[in-house]
Amino acid sequence: GNSVTQMEGPVTLSEEAFLTINCTYTATGYPSLFWYVQYPGEGLQLLLKATKADDKGSNKGFEATYRKETTSFHLEKGSVQVSDSAVYFCALRGAGGTSYGKLTFGQGTILTVHP
Amino acid sequence: GAGVSQSPSNKVTEKGKDVELRCDPISGHTALYWYRQRLGQGLEFLIYFQGNSAPDKSGLPSDRFSAERTGESVSTLTIQRTQQEDSAVYLCASSLVYRQETSPLHFGNGTRLTVT
Repeated sequence: GNSVTQMEGPVTLSEEAFLTINCTYTATGYPSLFWYVQYPGEGLQLLLKATKADDKGSNKGFEATYRKETTSFHLEKGSVQVSDSAVYFCALRGAGGTSYGKLTFGQGTILTVHP
Repeated sequence: GAGVSQSPSNKVTEKGKDVELRCDPISGHTALYWYRQRLGQGLEFLIYFQGNSAPDKSGLPSDRFSAERTGESVSTLTIQRTQQEDSAVYLCASSLVYRQETSPLHFGNGTRLTVT
């Protein structure tokens, strides 16, 4: 079946540091890939997405590139802010069969940014 | 009527009792999803609805769990004879259609269920 593996957290950074959160996946066919974010006290929300190989999703200074050769979708940001402190989830949507239509999530990575 | 609404936000129940969790999706969203998040773990898929039918129930952990949706709107997740391992946050999400690359999921804030 489909699966998503994220780097374990928590991740603690100082403001303006560079961020990478690794995400790798296992899936058949050509899944779509997503990063969701959950800010303290709020619901999960879509951060960015990529629907085919070599696509780059970007939003709020975050980027992730769909790498089919390495089955990865790592999240990066060049300069984090305190307001980026949240839990980040990598997810994929299956390309077909019974997986079609549902998101499979990684376990989440807690990010804390200090001033 | 902004986002996905879930009720109750918190529920404490005794082992063996039944509970019902409610989800009000965004108006017009045809797809609705239930996920479970246990403490320190990722999101576990339970079931999704396209309209009022559920093409994929594969994630329901046991026959104690059931869900229904009526009027292509409200959904109820029912857990019968609750067990302590059912303690988790139950998340509901909806999307305009069930192809998420063009229609992202919108999540509610969840129901935190504690079984004592």
